[in-house]
Amino acid sequence: AQSVTQLDSQVPVFEEAPVELRCNYSSSVSVYLFWYVQYPNQGLQLLLKYLSGSTLVKSINGFEAEFNKSQTSFHLRKPSVHISDTAEYFCAVSDAPTGGGNKLTFGTGTQLKVEL
Amino acid sequence: DGGITQSPKYLFRKEGQNVTLSCEQNLNHDAMYWYRQDPGQGLRLIYYSQIVNDFQKGDIAEGYSVSREKKESFPLTVTSAQKNPTAFYLCASSRSSGGPYTGELFFGEGSRLTVL
Repeated sequence: AQSVTQLDSQVPVFEEAPVELRCNYSSSVSVYLFWYVQYPNQGLQLLLKYLSGSTLVKSINGFEAEFNKSQTSFHLRKPSVHISDTAEYFCAVSDAPTGGGNKLTFGTGTQLKVEL
Repeated sequence: DGGITQSPKYLFRKEGQNVTLSCEQNLNHDAMYWYRQDPGQGLRLIYYSQIVNDFQKGDIAEGYSVSREKKESFPLTVTSAQKNPTAFYLCASSRSSGGPYTGELFFGEGSRLTVL
């Protein structure tokens, strides 16, 4: 069975400072990894994903994550955060799709709070 | 615009009542999902459906029921057997055929159920 661990439930950071949100996963097979973002009282939106190829993946708004197979990690980083990045971030894992569909297992989420 | 519509956004229920949450998508996706979100617990899968007239239990299906009579619709009924139904419910969909695997789930904006 897959599982995802997000050790930090809350991460406060000042605007323009760097941030790292940690994600570790366990899976016995090849995995696909995702980061989703959720703004208050809204659904989740895909931020970035690793399916194959380069282990460093980037989003359009400056976030990046690196797939590290030996450490079973997929940490999310941003070199300089903005107040608008305040949201909850979820790491998720999926194994190879079986016959259609895409069941994701989510972590418990990390609340990023950017302060002025 | 293509997307997923959940209704109602807010719902109050008395103990012992069944309630049905609506989820409609116009993305032409085969697969649909229901997740439950509780503070500090992330998202947990209730039910999912990979094709019309077929669905499977997720990790926390007890006290819930679903139907999938049309590709576009995947309603969730929270029955009186669900002991702790107050939560934020998220519906999602994904493409499961006809193209390379993307892994992405598309989410609705959620329905917040409160039991009085």
